Amino acid sequence: QKEVEQNSGPLSVPEGAIASLNCTYSDRGSQSFFWYRQYSGKSPELIMFIYSNGDKEDGRFTAQLNKASQYVSLLIRDSQPSDSATYLCAVTKGSGTYKYIFGTGTRLKVLA
Amino acid sequence: EAQVTQNPRYLITVTGKKLTVTCSQNMNHEYMSWYRQDPGLGLRQIYYSMNVEVTDKGDVPEGYKVSRKEKRNFPLILESPSPNQTSLYFCASSSGSQGGTQYFGPGTRLLVL
Repeated sequence: QKEVEQNSGPLSVPEGAIASLNCTYSDRGSQSFFWYRQYSGKSPELIMFIYSNGDKEDGRFTAQLNKASQYVSLLIRDSQPSDSATYLCAVTKGSGTYKYIFGTGTRLKVLA
Repeated sequence: EAQVTQNPRYLITVTGKKLTVTCSQNMNHEYMSWYRQDPGLGLRQIYYSMNVEVTDKGDVPEGYKVSRKEKRNFPLILESPSPNQTSLYFCASSSGSQGGTQYFGPGTRLLVL
């Protein structure tokens, strides 16, 4: 079992729809959870981070964390073609560490 | 402008020829890290550094060395590169705030023949 798992996609959604990206992790000690966006050939850039159970909203993006079920998700409302990218889920390994484990990413395609 | 820089951006080399990829950040971040990104394997952490003279192994440290003599610089050294180290490399830094959010450099694409 991978430490951080994501569906590789591609996930295709029409413009204006909600895109839902999911990530599961295996280390119950993980404390911080991140969503990064990566355009082809570019470096990852932070979309959101979350460390408490529940929802965290920032503009069109909502991160959801459920530590009991060990999953974290990202919702993108009103998806735009510019949102088309690979979305990487990352978690810290254990507690109080700076070891990060990344998922392999989900490729999102927003169709105009 | 706050940024992480890497040099070179592209490098073609031959097996066994020592090389260094530099990484520098101007944000006074204490934490820095190196990753490699390979298709189907995602980003994997090679080494990280909590502060000057403090480094530790990530998940794939074999074949790599690092040093942290200054806060702003964190070079990655391949003493004897092999073809399986052909990859896209990213340096990242963090202040530890925002849950440990990392800021990534532009990447270095390395080809080892």
